[in-house]
Amino acid sequence: DSGVTQTPKHLITATGQRVTLRCSPRSGDLSVYWYQQSLDQGLQFLIQYYNGEERAKGNILERFSAQQFPDLHSELNLSSLELGDSALYFCASSVGFGQFTPQHFGDGTRLSIL
Amino acid sequence: AQSVTQPDIHITVSEGASLELRCNYSYGATPYLFWYVQSPGQGLQLLLKYFSGDTLVQGIKGFEAEFKRSQSSFNLRKPSVHWSDAAEYFCAVGGGSNYKLTFGKGTLLTVNP
Repeated sequence: DSGVTQTPKHLITATGQRVTLRCSPRSGDLSVYWYQQSLDQGLQFLIQYYNGEERAKGNILERFSAQQFPDLHSELNLSSLELGDSALYFCASSVGFGQFTPQHFGDGTRLSIL
Repeated sequence: AQSVTQPDIHITVSEGASLELRCNYSYGATPYLFWYVQSPGQGLQLLLKYFSGDTLVQGIKGFEAEFKRSQSSFNLRKPSVHWSDAAEYFCAVGGGSNYKLTFGKGTLLTVNP
């Protein structure tokens, strides 16, 4: 158990819809990262937050957004969903900023678009 | 830009045999290197990491990896594979100011009895 909690584990929805994925980081971790894992693209970094502030952006679509709340949990919002958004979405957390510390991953949310 | 290449998509070994999974990276400065393992339906578990110092690093579950700067490699090894090691293995590189990880495409390990 990594200590990173992601909900829900599975999500099935239709094209055009909007969903919210939730992540609770490990106790004491201030950084949260979101990754997308798909068969064709592999594991891709989406976005990073540190203590409520966005710190880095990767290959995140404009239809996607994220935020980190004062209690440090994070949400990834995906809107106008397309078939190609079907993937496993991982959240990871790490201790801090200013030094490189290992990222610990949750079990992921599997998103299926019908 | 940083990148990771895992040349082997799928490797099959017999239980008890030794294992080496290859990883080559591209990064402009001193890299931070990681190996993660993903079992079916599970998240990624950190096996080991290299930040600096001794180039041979030990990890969990009996795995080790060796950092070779001259070859830009960080290969994962295990002297004797167990059936429970069957999973997908990902090499990752990180660094810089944003701390994001760049992953390889993964190597799927099958263990024959």
